[in-house]
Amino acid sequence: EAAVTQSPRSKVAVTGGKVTLSCHQTNNHDYMYWYRQDTGHGLRLIHYSYVADSTEKGDIPDGYKASRPSQENFSLILELASLSQTAVYFCASSLGTGGSAETLYFGSGTRLTVL
Amino acid sequence: GQQVKQSSPSLTVQEGGISILNCDYENDMFDYFAWYKKYPDNSPTLLISVRSNVDKREDGRLTVFLNKSGKHFSLHITASQPEDTAVYLCAAGMNQGGSAKLIFGEGTKLTVSS
Repeated sequence: EAAVTQSPRSKVAVTGGKVTLSCHQTNNHDYMYWYRQDTGHGLRLIHYSYVADSTEKGDIPDGYKASRPSQENFSLILELASLSQTAVYFCASSLGTGGSAETLYFGSGTRLTVL
Repeated sequence: GQQVKQSSPSLTVQEGGISILNCDYENDMFDYFAWYKKYPDNSPTLLISVRSNVDKREDGRLTVFLNKSGKHFSLHITASQPEDTAVYLCAAGMNQGGSAKLIFGEGTKLTVSS
């Protein structure tokens, strides 16, 4: 029933390894986002997308790539994982602009630990 | 610098009291303001939002006050209950590329004690 599904729920990765976090939404939303949560920083926007096959940089894109192969799917890729990327990652979707269309619907989060 | 800031990392309120959560922002182009609620190990969910053309919005026990000249908005929760205990994230954004790309504050942990 969950409209935004993230996988995996948690992951342990090694420094320098490649990590892919996946997000799937069934909301029929055009906009999808990747945020990371760190203690003392709230949620910070990494990448977002408003149409398939196109992604945009957010506020902290360095060290991350994103891929939007379809309206439903949005991935976050860490090509060379680093210790500083240990965090909880949230995917979200929204319809777009105007009133309730701007509401973000979040997935359950992925807890990533880089060792 | 932090564009959206919640200066109080935590707040404790007695059951039945009024919880007041505050948020300051820097960019006077922001025109959309929201409060999200997050329980531990859960995802944030929207509580209430307001656009910049109003300075107050009520929804049940929740009221958002917007002070544009002061670049400040707040969430008031009346008759606070233990189930209100959670982290509250304020967020602000502006219409950019067809979406209100939200900037979140650091969060305030509200504890309602019975």
